[in-house]
Amino acid sequence: EPEVTQTPSHQVTQMGQEVILRCVPISNHLYFYWYRQILGQKVEFLVSFYNNEISEKSEIFDDQFSVERPDGSNFTLKIRSTKLEDSAMYFCASSWPSGGSADTQYFGPGTRLTVL
Amino acid sequence: GENVEQHPSTLSVQEGDSAVIKCTYSDSASNYFPWYKQELGKGPQLIIDIRSNVGEKKDQRIAVTLNKTAKHFSLHITETQPEDSAVYFCAASMGMKTSYDKVIFGPGTSLSVIP
Repeated sequence: EPEVTQTPSHQVTQMGQEVILRCVPISNHLYFYWYRQILGQKVEFLVSFYNNEISEKSEIFDDQFSVERPDGSNFTLKIRSTKLEDSAMYFCASSWPSGGSADTQYFGPGTRLTVL
Repeated sequence: GENVEQHPSTLSVQEGDSAVIKCTYSDSASNYFPWYKQELGKGPQLIIDIRSNVGEKKDQRIAVTLNKTAKHFSLHITETQPEDSAVYFCAASMGMKTSYDKVIFGPGTSLSVIP
């Protein structure tokens, strides 16, 4: 069964450093998302991406964050200058329009980001 | 914006018993309601979903119900097994109205099935 993959599984970085989290969505999917989950809290939406542009972003997704689909298979989340509060699990998700709607989202295993 | 509440936050049941998790949502425009199971160290895994034009859906030991008027939806797991132990998230989305839409998660229910 096709699945969303993410690398690395765990990333440790120093505050102020740039990190890039990578995702390979399911191959025929057209819609891509990033979510994050701070330890013990709910999963929060960050950004959605379609047709090579951001469709929607949350207030969490400020100028320090960017997303890119550099080729036909990868989808990346970049944090330019990490802060302690960026420590969280980051989940990539993808979906395919079904009957005109892209509602069923499939999640990757996540990247645990630790900012020291 | 949409807000999803979920109860209880923790639930312990004996193996073989049923488990019920209840959620409410605030935005009547939401029309797609997925349920995710998250095991330790893993990403949310879709286990069942329901759309607003359906009141109930069942898949083996799992069933979901939706009351649009009251903006309530519930997950029922029958004949629970130890491998059902995980955190369960309800969620809401307007996925049927837009071509894509974010999923708004509830805070989660930690289910423990005691052998």
